[in-house]
Amino acid sequence: GQQVMQIPQYQHVQEGEDFTTYCNSSTTLSNIQWYKQRPGGHPVFLIQLVKSGEVKKQKRLTFQFGEAKKNSSLHITATQTTDVGTYFCAGPRGSTLGRLYFGRGTQLTVWP
Amino acid sequence: NAGVTQTPKFQVLKTGQSMTLQCAQDMNHEYMSWYRQDPGMGLRLIHYSVGAGITDQGEVPNGYNVSRSTTEDFPLRLLSAAPSQTSVYFCASSKTSGDNEQFFGPGTRLTVL
Repeated sequence: GQQVMQIPQYQHVQEGEDFTTYCNSSTTLSNIQWYKQRPGGHPVFLIQLVKSGEVKKQKRLTFQFGEAKKNSSLHITATQTTDVGTYFCAGPRGSTLGRLYFGRGTQLTVWP
Repeated sequence: NAGVTQTPKFQVLKTGQSMTLQCAQDMNHEYMSWYRQDPGMGLRLIHYSVGAGITDQGEVPNGYNVSRSTTEDFPLRLLSAAPSQTSVYFCASSKTSGDNEQFFGPGTRLTVL
């Protein structure tokens, strides 16, 4: 089954509104990665979080890694039409570094 | 650098046919992997490789074979295509493992009739 659960599956917002997607794992993650996939494109790496409680910012995007390293979130402030796409979280499974499992993604639609 | 390349971009097969999806990277990455993407299912790991000569299964390996004879290439073979294998296939690579930033290819859209 899915190793990391991601919600919501879909989010529709008006331009200027905020957006948040959440990622949860039943097991502790050594790190979590976030990717963005534009419609018709391929996933593109955004960021990696490694430390417990870590918070990183990229312009209007804020990424958090939970204290227990089992959950993470991506928050976008004041969405723009360029933010449209599907956002995925991904985490390695246990001690097997070769396996990177992706959540099902949150598809973001932004209305102008 | 071309990054990660995949061929073909599109393919239509009949049930029972076999084919190979090609993936190559020119970044000297040790780790390579194959994912399939289906609507609402996200990206599911098929097979991965941590270096030449080493491969292992992901979460949905049935019906697919891989080999890694060189660092650059990681082909995915469909032995006997089934309609359930209709999907978009992405190849990815990274420096050493699933712990690193993954670089994805443009994908292959496969339809099995």
